[in-house]
Amino acid sequence: DAGVIQSPRHEVTEMGQEVTLRCKPISGHDYLFWYRQTMMRGLELLIYFNNNVPIDDSGMPEDRFSAKMPNASFSTLKIQPSEPRDSAVYFCASRRSGGGGYTFGSGTRLTVV
Amino acid sequence: AQTVTQSQPEMSVQEAETVTLSCTYDTSENNYYLFWYKQPPSRQMILVIRQEAYKQQNATENRFSVNFQKAAKSFSLKISDSQLGDTAMYFCAFVYTGNQFYFGTGTSLTVIP
Repeated sequence: DAGVIQSPRHEVTEMGQEVTLRCKPISGHDYLFWYRQTMMRGLELLIYFNNNVPIDDSGMPEDRFSAKMPNASFSTLKIQPSEPRDSAVYFCASRRSGGGGYTFGSGTRLTVV
Repeated sequence: AQTVTQSQPEMSVQEAETVTLSCTYDTSENNYYLFWYKQPPSRQMILVIRQEAYKQQNATENRFSVNFQKAAKSFSLKISDSQLGDTAMYFCAFVYTGNQFYFGTGTSLTVIP
């Protein structure tokens, strides 16, 4: 099993540009989560999906953020337009229902200049 | 509301010694799971150990063990025979029904040669 795969690993973009982060969960995991990690705020849950359906997006900071999961093996997190304060590490994680732990991807470090 | 508290922002331990990281949580739920995650400088989030609340026996994984005190809502992690590779940020996490994990703010552990 390749684990949760995120791309890109690093992204540097200019303020105002659109950024798309990608995630492939572990096959068979029916929950997918997007987290943001910063020094100031720690790990914040942005949104999570169950069977490709968004369940809770209350953590999405504002309308500039959107997330989709068109199928069980792929999800995107989009920021448009990006701002310097969006600079953070974004993690994707997946989980099988029934009590198991999260498996995290290796994260995308986003820098908005 | 569910909260997880890690009161030790930073700790250090001599190589081969034992160290204990503290975690307390607050919940009115009876059935839940607790986890410790490790985040080394590579930033990968790695599951270290897991505890089901309904189990009285403390979980162990090689050099890692927990002291789970359900009544006190305490879930400490003990690392025995500390190794240089244990240097990392450690996060305590809690989940009950649903799927949102609640993370503590982390403890930065440094193993000193």
